[in-house]
Amino acid sequence: DAGVIQSPRHEVTEMGQEVTLRCKPISGHDYLFWYRQTMMRGLELLIYFNNNVPIDDSGMPEDRFSAKMPNASFSTLKIQPSEPRDSAVYFCASSSAILAGGPYNEQFFGPGTRLTVL
Amino acid sequence: GDSVTQMEGPVTLSEEAFLTINCTYTATGYPSLFWYVQYPGEGLQLLLKATKADDKGSNKGFEATYRKETTSFHLEKGSVQVSDSAVYFCALIPNAGNNRKLIWGLGTSLAVNP
Repeated sequence: DAGVIQSPRHEVTEMGQEVTLRCKPISGHDYLFWYRQTMMRGLELLIYFNNNVPIDDSGMPEDRFSAKMPNASFSTLKIQPSEPRDSAVYFCASSSAILAGGPYNEQFFGPGTRLTVL
Repeated sequence: GDSVTQMEGPVTLSEEAFLTINCTYTATGYPSLFWYVQYPGEGLQLLLKATKADDKGSNKGFEATYRKETTSFHLEKGSVQVSDSAVYFCALIPNAGNNRKLIWGLGTSLAVNP
């Protein structure tokens, strides 16, 4: 089975440009999470969706960040305009309590997108 | 609020040494507890879990026991290998209901030398 797929794997852009990160969750999963990882702040949850609906976006840094999930198999995280402090690795993860068969909630992570904003 | 505290790294060990990475938590009720591992250049993956007090999670030679009395979930391995070099994250879900938001520790980097 394919895992969580993220694209691009690496993105280098200049300050002020729009950046779009893409994620395809594992088929059948109904939860999708976007994380940001930096050395300074560690792993931060930005937003998560359930059945394509945003449930908690309290971790989204500011209005420059937006996330959408138009269907169960695709999500985007957009940064507009990008700034050097947005440089980080962005992870997408998905999960399903139903498929897991229990109350715990294993999240399956994609390989990440390494974003560099110059 | 709910939180997870891990021992700071980096931890450097020789091959076949004993490993302990401490993790303590603060949460109301009975959280589910997890250890995730991140190998270089990869995303995180679940290493082991425990969903109730006194449960022991185990995988790939790693173990951790859910200790409610000390609010701890320390990760141990009797004999580490070079391939265990990675970053280890302790995490919890505050309850087993509809909350799907993991609370993460900052991670502990482990380097195992041959």
